[in-house]
Amino acid sequence: KAGVTQTPRYLIKTRGQQVTLSCSPISGHRSVSWYQQTPGQGLQFLFEYFSETQRNKGNFPGRFSGRQFSNSRSEMNVSTLELGDSALYLCASSLGADQETQYFGPGTRLLVL
Amino acid sequence: QKEVEQDPGPLSVPEGAIVSLNCTYSNSAFQYFMWYRQYSRKGPELLMYTYSSGNKEDGRFTAQVDKSSKYISLFIRDSQPSDSATYLCAMKASGNQFYFGTGTSLTVIP
Repeated sequence: KAGVTQTPRYLIKTRGQQVTLSCSPISGHRSVSWYQQTPGQGLQFLFEYFSETQRNKGNFPGRFSGRQFSNSRSEMNVSTLELGDSALYLCASSLGADQETQYFGPGTRLLVL
Repeated sequence: QKEVEQDPGPLSVPEGAIVSLNCTYSNSAFQYFMWYRQYSRKGPELLMYTYSSGNKEDGRFTAQVDKSSKYISLFIRDSQPSDSATYLCAMKASGNQFYFGTGTSLTVIP
């Protein structure tokens, strides 16, 4: 069974631009979560989607948004990029509504110049 | 206070040593406990997960949960250079929001 895939793997953007990242969960998984990982802050939770509905949201500004499609694929968008948005963005999928664990993709490394 | 606290290390041990990695937490509602391994520039890889207090063993890895002390541990026996990575603890209550430690960087020296 294929794992979680994320595209693109690397991105370079400039301040003020916007970016869209994509995540395809493991086949059959319906929950997708997004995290931002930086050396100083570790893994920080962005949001979680289940069956196209956002169920949980972390403490990030409104510039960070996401959505989930009917096939469980998910996208996240960051508008008006700032230097501090440079990070590894990780997507993780879980089987259902209340599963005991989740599986991560390889991440998208975003560099904002 | 953070939900999950983890000593960032770095931890450096000789090959063959027993490694102990630890996390403490504050939310008594946490029921599921996980350990992830993350190699440099890769996504976290699930190593082990446990439910409730006690020990769970998988090869060279043992996960231990002490709910009364709100303390979890991961032991690595006969550590190998390939175990060099960052280890993240994670936990959750009911629902699907996971809480992560900041990770402990481990280097196993040949």
